[in-house]
Amino acid sequence: NSKVIQTPRYLVKGQGQKAKMRCIPEKGHPVVFWYQQNKNNEFKFLINFQNQEVLQQIDMTEKRFSAECPSNSPCSLEIQSSEAGDSALYLCASRRNQDTQYFGPGTRLLVL
Amino acid sequence: QQKVQQSPESLTVSEGAMASLNCTFSDGTSNNFRWYRQHSAKGLEVLVSIFSDGEKEEGRFTAHLNRANLHVSLHIREPQPSDSAVYLCAVSTGNTGKLIFGLGTTLQVQP
Repeated sequence: NSKVIQTPRYLVKGQGQKAKMRCIPEKGHPVVFWYQQNKNNEFKFLINFQNQEVLQQIDMTEKRFSAECPSNSPCSLEIQSSEAGDSALYLCASRRNQDTQYFGPGTRLLVL
Repeated sequence: QQKVQQSPESLTVSEGAMASLNCTFSDGTSNNFRWYRQHSAKGLEVLVSIFSDGEKEEGRFTAHLNRANLHVSLHIREPQPSDSAVYLCAVSTGNTGKLIFGLGTTLQVQP
């Protein structure tokens, strides 16, 4: 039931390498969220945007993680220097204001 | 800090028997409750959203919310093998929309 597109589906990087993933939200959804789901099923909120503006982000995101949602381009999440602990499923979700979040299929990152 | 806990951790039911999943949360001011399911580490599919005490039905899925007891449940009527998945309870508070998830219940439906 979701039309959120995430690419790539799988990403393999060495430690210290950059990892970049993209998300196209559903049409008409101005709010975008990024979450990290680890192998223990723990979800961590990373950052969210309304249109191009950051609404909230966690401290971790401010250090090695960067994200943007430029107008007329996919949103992106980039890890500047990947660490083994970053291996996880990265999920993008979008919604209209105050509505249900619809999730994409995720990008599975493996850091060797 | 909101804590969301789900039980049981795993559940096996026979096809056609009702499946009941539980979720408790710690912040009584929470105002948005959603049940998602996830097949084999894929994306999340929303099942039911509920915002006020009582019951909300979406097809074979019914959510019950009791905010005084800090409890929300999901009941799956006539489950089928294709319903086998991880079921996730997600709670948000205020207007941020940030979801706090439980660790999920793994449901196995046997033919």
